[in-house]
Amino acid sequence: DAGVIQSPRHEVTEMGQEVTLRCKPISGHNSLFWYRQTMMRGLELLIYFNNNVPIDDSGMPEDRFSAKMPNASFSTLKIQPSEPRDSAVYFCASSVGPNADTQYFGPGTRLTVL
Amino acid sequence: AQSVTQLDSHVSVSEGTPVLLRCNYSSSYSPSLFWYVQHPNKGLQLLLKYTSAATLVKGINGFEAEFKKSETSFHLTKPSAHMSDAAEYFCGESSASKIIFGSGTRLSIRP
Repeated sequence: DAGVIQSPRHEVTEMGQEVTLRCKPISGHNSLFWYRQTMMRGLELLIYFNNNVPIDDSGMPEDRFSAKMPNASFSTLKIQPSEPRDSAVYFCASSVGPNADTQYFGPGTRLTVL
Repeated sequence: AQSVTQLDSHVSVSEGTPVLLRCNYSSSYSPSLFWYVQHPNKGLQLLLKYTSAATLVKGINGFEAEFKKSETSFHLTKPSAHMSDAAEYFCGESSASKIIFGSGTRLSIRP
């Protein structure tokens, strides 16, 4: 099993640019989670999906952030326009079911916004 | 609202000595509880999980955690620290369909 796959692993962009982060969950997993990790705020849940449907997006910082899951094997997190304070490591995780089953994390995308 | 409190932001121990990382949860019922480890520049990896079976849970790499309902605690222990244990450790509690994570404890190992 390849595990959760995230791309790119590193992204450097300039303020105002659009950024798209990608995630492929583990095959057969029905729930997908996007997290952001910073030194200041720790690990924050941004949004999660169950069966491709967004269930809770209360952690999304503002309208500049959006997430989609068009099918069971792919999700994106988009930031438009990006700002320096968005610099962080973004993790995707997946789990089999919706009831706080064990989450498996991807390696993360390190985003730097200049 | 549910919350998870990791009582120490940083713990430093000598190699070969015991490790204790403390975690308190907030649920009034018996939740599912987790410990994850994050090595530098890596994603989080599950160490162990409690789901209301045995109160002492054994995980990978010699770690274990004990669920104590009376203390609402789920502390992580290891009898003998190894240099490779140096990492960030996160305690988590199930909440509906997601996990509430604590702020993390950085474990340093002195040679």
